[in-house]
Amino acid sequence: GESVGLHLPTLSVQEGDNSIINCAYSNSASDYFIWYKQESGKGPQFIIDIRSNMDKRQGQRVTVLLNKTVKHLSLQIAATQPGDSAVYFCAERVPGSTLTFGKGTMLLVSP
Amino acid sequence: DSGVTQTPKHLITATGQRVTLRCSPRSGDLSVYWYQQSLDQGLQFLIQYYNGEERAKGNILERFSAQQFPDLHSELNLSSLELGDSALYFCASSSTGVLSGANVLTFGAGSRLTVL
Repeated sequence: GESVGLHLPTLSVQEGDNSIINCAYSNSASDYFIWYKQESGKGPQFIIDIRSNMDKRQGQRVTVLLNKTVKHLSLQIAATQPGDSAVYFCAERVPGSTLTFGKGTMLLVSP
Repeated sequence: DSGVTQTPKHLITATGQRVTLRCSPRSGDLSVYWYQQSLDQGLQFLIQYYNGEERAKGNILERFSAQQFPDLHSELNLSSLELGDSALYFCASSSTGVLSGANVLTFGAGSRLTVL
């Protein structure tokens, strides 16, 4: 497949483990955050979002945690599956501006 | 299938040439965004259109231009191409052009441009 980036931080986990992908965002004025998953050869796919008035939001097998004090965002994936292998991007948005994406983290899931 | 259609999927051209990338947004979406993804820079925002009008501009080079047509499809024109323009170009769409509140972008599969 096509590579979406070299020298990305990589997280390697075993199938069935829980995965935690971290993201440090840059702007304390950001009020909206979103996680995308990008599989090889495909476009980014929405996973979950969170507004700054929340510190936690849960979806199906995924949880996003927001710590505004230290400008940190994390994505937790429960019971990671081989199909979760992809590059994961966090993005932040300052009101009145568009999404700014981070560099991404590659998640590798071994059977 | 995300509902956002991009053509062509792959394009190989020479330096100095001009190409046009096309995007059809998801049905009902009025906003179109263009992003460039290169190995070193990640996803970089280029430009946004909402219902035919430019709404926001990012790091788009003067050699690049875009427009959104009355049927809401969009085209990104890249001219005087350089080797460094080789990248994946993504189009995304959303229902709103408002840059506040929740605003999920739906991405297409991308157009891979190779400049030789």
